[in-house]
Amino acid sequence: EAGVAQSPRYKIIEKRQSVAFWCNPISGHATLYWYQQILGQGPKLLIQFQNNGVVDDSQLPKDRFSAERLKGVDSTLKIQPAKLEDSAVYLCASSQPTGDEQFFGPGTRLTVL
Amino acid sequence: GQSLEQPSEVTAVEGAIVQINCTYQTSGFYGLSWYQQHDGGAPTFLSYNGLDGLEETGRFSSFLSRSDSYGYLLLQELQMKDSASYFCAVSTHAGNMLTFGGGTRLMVKP
Repeated sequence: EAGVAQSPRYKIIEKRQSVAFWCNPISGHATLYWYQQILGQGPKLLIQFQNNGVVDDSQLPKDRFSAERLKGVDSTLKIQPAKLEDSAVYLCASSQPTGDEQFFGPGTRLTVL
Repeated sequence: GQSLEQPSEVTAVEGAIVQINCTYQTSGFYGLSWYQQHDGGAPTFLSYNGLDGLEETGRFSSFLSRSDSYGYLLLQELQMKDSASYFCAVSTHAGNMLTFGGGTRLMVKP
């Protein structure tokens, strides 16, 4: 069974530029999560989708971050404009709707200069 | 909101046993999970406790006391490959988002 796929793996941008990350969850997983992990810290949830609907986005900085999951499968996370403090690894995870285990992708390491 | 506390670093020798503690404060509690993350890698699921008591999976065990808002991860017969960061995380209902602790960096020495 294929795992969670993410791209790109690495991205370097200048501050005030925009960037987008893509995630393809495990087949059949209705729940998808985006986390931000700053170096030396635990992952912090940004947004949770159930199929193509948003379950929780209370920690998403909506003035600059947006996310969508149009067909209930793939998802994209966008930052516009990026700030220096957005430098982090962006992790996508998926799970069964009532599952206790979340499966994480390899992440996208973003560096904002 | 939720907050979790775990030690930042633990060092142990190969073959030993180590316990990583986690205390939490949360407005609603459903379960406590543990994840392992090697440097540069993705978090991987180790265990889940929804009820009080001990869950055992091979060399790893996890314990939960809901009344004490406390849990721990026990790693036995430590191997060099166990050197990684370990995160506890709480959920407030099934399939819910996780709130992670800051992580415990485990270093296993020969």
